[in-house]
Amino acid sequence: QVQLQESGPGLVKPSGTLSLTCAVSGGSISSRKWWNWVRQPPGKGLEWIGEIYHSGSTNYNPSLKSRVTISVDKSKNQFSLKLSSVTAADTAVYYCASGGGQGYFEYWGQGTLVTVSS
Amino acid sequence: DIVMTQSPDSLAVSLGERATINCKSTQSVLYSSNNKNYLAWYQQRPGQPPKLLIYWASTRESGVPDRFSGSGSGTDFTLTISSLQAEDVAVYYCQQYYSTPYTFGQGTKLEIK
Repeated sequence: QVQLQESGPGLVKPSGTLSLTCAVSGGSISSRKWWNWVRQPPGKGLEWIGEIYHSGSTNYNPSLKSRVTISVDKSKNQFSLKLSSVTAADTAVYYCASGGGQGYFEYWGQGTLVTVSS
Repeated sequence: DIVMTQSPDSLAVSLGERATINCKSTQSVLYSSNNKNYLAWYQQRPGQPPKLLIYWASTRESGVPDRFSGSGSGTDFTLTISSLQAEDVAVYYCQQYYSTPYTFGQGTKLEIK
């Protein structure tokens, strides 16, 4: 059973860079899965940010593509999200998620709230 | 992008009664080569991450009670809870994974009447 756990700063200053890591346990990040980031602003719906394969191939949401980088560290069995030039609109609970590689998400982390504020 | 629209936005149903949530996509999510609909349903309880209920539009995830069922094809889909239980109070989301960017419906809040 794959388990995911997000970690990173809960407060980021405007114009700064949001950095989060998702630790994978119960399975290898090199398994045939895509590893995703999804976010949810307080009281709102879900937005897919992007995904990475263990080989390093990525797909990003075009609405965020210019500011997003997702990377994988196979040695640590984890993957990461960087979102640059953040504003208050980036305040959200950030989830890491994964599935069987088809695009639906069986496994989710508990989520971490990131607030953008000075 | 494929836009997913759910209806209604909120729903109140009595315990033991049927709850029906609809989801419509702006383009078909049926992949003709394998005849599969790339549509999933999730349940999100307060303070919790989403939980996968249904994938391929009608395949129930392991461990999900059989009172949950999914139907539909192409652009129109339905999640049905046959007999509402107290623990089903949650927000429900549909998601298409036919193409990136993957997109979700706005959510339907289900409450007890």
